[in-house]
Amino acid sequence: KAGVTQTPRYLIKTRGQQVTLSCSPISGHRSVSWYQQTPGQGLQFLFEYFSETQRNKGNFPGRFSGRQFSNSRSEMNVSTLELGDSALYLCASSFRGGATEAFFGQGTRLTVV
Amino acid sequence: AQTVTQSQPEMSVQEAETVTLSCTYDTSENNYYLFWYKQPPSRQMILVIRQEAYKQQNATENRFSVNFQKAAKSFSLKISDSQLGDTAMYFCAFAKKTNTGNQFYFGTGTSLTVIP
Repeated sequence: KAGVTQTPRYLIKTRGQQVTLSCSPISGHRSVSWYQQTPGQGLQFLFEYFSETQRNKGNFPGRFSGRQFSNSRSEMNVSTLELGDSALYLCASSFRGGATEAFFGQGTRLTVV
Repeated sequence: AQTVTQSQPEMSVQEAETVTLSCTYDTSENNYYLFWYKQPPSRQMILVIRQEAYKQQNATENRFSVNFQKAAKSFSLKISDSQLGDTAMYFCAFAKKTNTGNQFYFGTGTSLTVIP
């Protein structure tokens, strides 16, 4: 059974650009959550999607958005990139959304220059 | 709001020795889970061990065990017979007991180095 796949692994963007990150959950999993990991703020919850609907949202500005497709794959978009958006973005998938069954991907390292 | 505190940014231990990582948390919830995740240089978060708050018995997974003190809101991780492969960042995490979302609250992490 394949694990959670995040693409791309690394990304370099210029301030002001926008970026889209992708997360393919484990087959059969319907919930996908996104986290931002930075040295200063640690791991912070961005949002969670379940069956194509956003179910929970963290305290991030509207520049951070996401969506989920019918095959449960999820994308996260950040518009008007700022230097402070440089981070490791992790996604986690689970079947029903319970924390006990969450599996994480290896993340996408985004660098904004 | 939930907060998780790890007061040890860095720790080291000799191979084959035992080390304990500390974690405290704050919540008004009654039903929740606590977790320890390991993040090696590959960056993938790997579940080490989890504890359900309503269970008094401390969870154990091979060389990993926890000391869960619910009243004190403390959740420490003990690693016995440390191995070189245990070198990693360790994160303590909290999650509400719900099937409507897997939002984790993480501590700031403890960087553990196992010395040969």
